[in-house]
Amino acid sequence: GAVVSQHPSRVICKSGTSVKIECRSLDFQATTMFWYRQFPKQSLMLMATSNEGSKATYEQGVEKDKFLINHASLTLSTLTVTSAHPEDSSFYICSASERGGPDTQYFGPGTRLTVL
Amino acid sequence: AQRVTQPEKLLSVFKGAPVELKCNYSYSGSPELFWYVQYSRQRLQLLLRHISRESIKGFTADLNKGETSFHLKKPFAQEEDSAMYYCALRGQGAQKLVFGQGTRLTINP
Repeated sequence: GAVVSQHPSRVICKSGTSVKIECRSLDFQATTMFWYRQFPKQSLMLMATSNEGSKATYEQGVEKDKFLINHASLTLSTLTVTSAHPEDSSFYICSASERGGPDTQYFGPGTRLTVL
Repeated sequence: AQRVTQPEKLLSVFKGAPVELKCNYSYSGSPELFWYVQYSRQRLQLLLRHISRESIKGFTADLNKGETSFHLKKPFAQEEDSAMYYCALRGQGAQKLVFGQGTRLTINP
C-alpha cells in the first residue's frame, strides 16, 4: 500500500514552454502533498507544501508564478513549470501523507525535466 | 533555523563490518528525526523514525538531544545495504521535512 506515482517519468521540452507534472496517490487519500527539487548529487529541497482544496505554501525563494501547484483532489496534485528555462532542468519529486493515517511521507519515483 | 548535517558524502565499509552514518541537526525545539534510504533506481523510502525506537533491517538510530545527533548504526553491514541515506528533521507541529545532504554508503564484498 501507500504508493505514489508521478507522470511523466522524464520530459524534454523547449525553452519558453510549460510542462505539467502529475503526482498521484494510488491507494490512499492524501491530504497533503509535497514537491521537492533535487539537483545532481545534492539533497532534496522542498519547493512547496500543498493541502487539498487550498493554496500551496511555497518555500522562500521559490517563485509561485513559475511553479504552479494545484491540489484539486485527495489523490492528485500537479506541478506546472511555466516558461521553462534550462536552469529549471532538474529532478522533481513529490511525496504524499495519508489522510487520517500516520504522518509518514510516501515518495514518488520522480520526474526528470530537461529544458533545451 | 532548522538544519540537518550529514558530514560524510561517501562512506565505504567492508561486508560484516560495523557501519555508522552520522547526522547532526540544529533545531531549537523538540524535533522528530527520520532516516530515509534510496536504493539504486528506486524511490526514497522511510527506513526508521526516532519515535518508533525500532530496528529496521538491522539498523538503529538513537536521538541524542545533548549532542543534537541521530546517527544511524548497524553492527554488521551487508552488501544490500549499499544505498543513499538521508537524515531528515521535522519540527514540532510542522508538516515539512528538512533533509540532510545525504551519505552514499557502499558495502564492499
